[in-house]
Amino acid sequence: DVKVTQSSRYLVKRTGEKVFLECVQDMDHENMFWYRQDPGLGLRLIYFSYDVKMKEKGDIPEGYSVSREKKERFSLILESASTNQTSMYLCASSGLQLNTEAFFGQGTRLTVV
Amino acid sequence: AQKITQTQPGMFVQEKEAVTLDCTYDTSDQSYGLFWYKQPSSGEMIFLIYQGSYDEQNATEGRYSLNFQKARKSANLVISASQLGDSAMYFCAMREGYSGGGADGLTFGKGTHLIIQP
Repeated sequence: DVKVTQSSRYLVKRTGEKVFLECVQDMDHENMFWYRQDPGLGLRLIYFSYDVKMKEKGDIPEGYSVSREKKERFSLILESASTNQTSMYLCASSGLQLNTEAFFGQGTRLTVV
Repeated sequence: AQKITQTQPGMFVQEKEAVTLDCTYDTSDQSYGLFWYKQPSSGEMIFLIYQGSYDEQNATEGRYSLNFQKARKSANLVISASQLGDSAMYFCAMREGYSGGGADGLTFGKGTHLIIQP
């Protein structure tokens, strides 16, 4: 069974903390993505990576950074968490080709207080 | 400008009726793919169906079909004979291709909350 696993289901962090969200996939996919999901806004792409150490900004990269040191792992970093980053974060992976579906992790509900 | 537009924030449908969820998209690329995902209240994202920009036939997967009208840039999802378990958020998404192969990230619409009533 293919899997994308996010390290935490729920996280509560304080304003100003550095936060790491980890994602691991076991499908040898080249592409990995981080989205945030907010009610009424759908899923918005934060960053994606198409190879180890490669990254591309998505639609809302401000306040976030990413790291991909190994093919199977893609980390989202909130350098200094703020309350407006309270959200559901979804990691996904896919093959390189256009017609390949993305597989999603179970999501991390982050609350910044 | 929004790349994916879903104009129905919410829909109520009687069980066993057919449902059409609207999706329009905006791209200047010739090569792109359109996806539909279902997200039940449990939160998981479930892939439903894919349509490529060069596909001449509308995609079908069981009770799901995609009404692809390229000139109108629309990719509506049709669910036949709806069931109570179809109640969920539904997202339309697009992926644009690179000329040398490969593809960009998925861009999602804001979703439609579908509720099937008994």
